[in-house]
Amino acid sequence: KQEVTQIPAALSVPEGENLVLNCSFTDSAIYNLQWFRQDPGKGLTSLLLIQSSQREQTSGRLNASLDKSSGRSTLYIAASQPGDSATYLCAVKKGRSYNTDKLIFGTGTRLQVFP
Amino acid sequence: DGGITQSPKYLFRKEGQNVTLSCEQNLNHDAMYWYRQDPGQGLRLIYYSQIVNDFQKGDIAEGYSVSREKKESFPLTVTSAQKNPTAFYLCASSTRRFNQKNTGELFFGEGSRLTVL
Repeated sequence: KQEVTQIPAALSVPEGENLVLNCSFTDSAIYNLQWFRQDPGKGLTSLLLIQSSQREQTSGRLNASLDKSSGRSTLYIAASQPGDSATYLCAVKKGRSYNTDKLIFGTGTRLQVFP
Repeated sequence: DGGITQSPKYLFRKEGQNVTLSCEQNLNHDAMYWYRQDPGQGLRLIYYSQIVNDFQKGDIAEGYSVSREKKESFPLTVTSAQKNPTAFYLCASSTRRFNQKNTGELFFGEGSRLTVL
């Protein structure tokens, strides 16, 4: 059974720091991995999606890497800002085929960036 | 603008009542999903639908029901049989046409918070 773990559960840093958020999964047979951001009381916003054949994806100050063999993904946030404060979740799509539609979510990392 | 609309944002229910949460999307997505989010837990899949007039149970379907009569709409009914319905409910959609542009990315609505009094 696929399990997704995110460490740390919470993180508080001063503005300007570079951050690494971790996501690990137990079954390396994934189709893709997606990182989301969730503000309090809101829905999830997709940040980056990495296909199983890719090693990393970048969007602005965000960089996500994927190492299937070790069952790990990292989300790197450069030059953090107070506006980055939110909960960050990762999710893996089960199976090798796009017909397997279910995503398995981690419990998230709650990030606070203070001025 | 294209997106997913959930309503109502907040809902209060008395014990023993059924309630229906609305989810509408104008993204022309084939697949739609309902998730439940509880504090300290990851999102859990309730039901999903890959095509109109078809839907599948997720991991925690007991006490819930859905319908998919239109591509744009996937309402969720929380029945009185759901023993612990107080939660944050999230609707999502994705395309099933996988090519270079459409990668199966999941898009979410803003959520509906249900409280049982």
